[in-house]
Amino acid sequence: DGGITQSPKYLFRKEGQNVTLSCEQNLNHDAMYWYRQDPGQGLRLIYYSQIVNDFQKGDIAEGYSVSREKKESFPLTVTSAQKNPTAFYLCASSEEALRAHNSPLHFGNGTRLTVT
Amino acid sequence: EDQVTQSPEALRLQEGESSSLNCSYTVSGLRGLFWYRQDPGKGPEFLFTLYSAGEEKEKERLKATLTKKESFLHITAPKPEDSATYLCAVEDQGGKLIFGQGTELSVKP
Repeated sequence: DGGITQSPKYLFRKEGQNVTLSCEQNLNHDAMYWYRQDPGQGLRLIYYSQIVNDFQKGDIAEGYSVSREKKESFPLTVTSAQKNPTAFYLCASSEEALRAHNSPLHFGNGTRLTVT
Repeated sequence: EDQVTQSPEALRLQEGESSSLNCSYTVSGLRGLFWYRQDPGKGPEFLFTLYSAGEEKEKERLKATLTKKESFLHITAPKPEDSATYLCAVEDQGGKLIFGQGTELSVKP
């Protein structure tokens, strides 16, 4: 079955450490996205990529970095510069860039990151 | 400023008790409105896309409608398995997607 795989499901880190969240898709989608979900708030866009070797900042990119070396992979690094990194992180993809009318987002099952 | 507001924040229903969830929006040119279902600890699952006022979409016990200012997700005779958080998202003319905070639905048998 095609889909998006995020790993690990739970991640614990000490403050000051960088951590990388994995996202792999086998849907052959061009566009990939990282969102952050916090209780009582809507999903917020961190970074997105419309094509390999290209990515753009979203609304809350500070303290995060990404790479897109392969079409199927879009890892997210949460750096020590991120002031409040504890959250539920969701990776998504869409068939066409910028979410064309017939191209809704497909989400992975998330990684819950806890930093203490 | 573009904004999406969902109400209520939480809704508790008895099995079979029909109701509606609301998604109000202000956006500079609506390109599409999306409904997603999210189960605890999982990623959102796509339900519907609506493009213009007056449009309706149905799937099993769910029916989504759209006006120029809001969308409703009607749930007819809900079952416990319909319990989830329902997310609304609006896409503006620039391709930006704005999510509401969600409505947590609980259906008791």
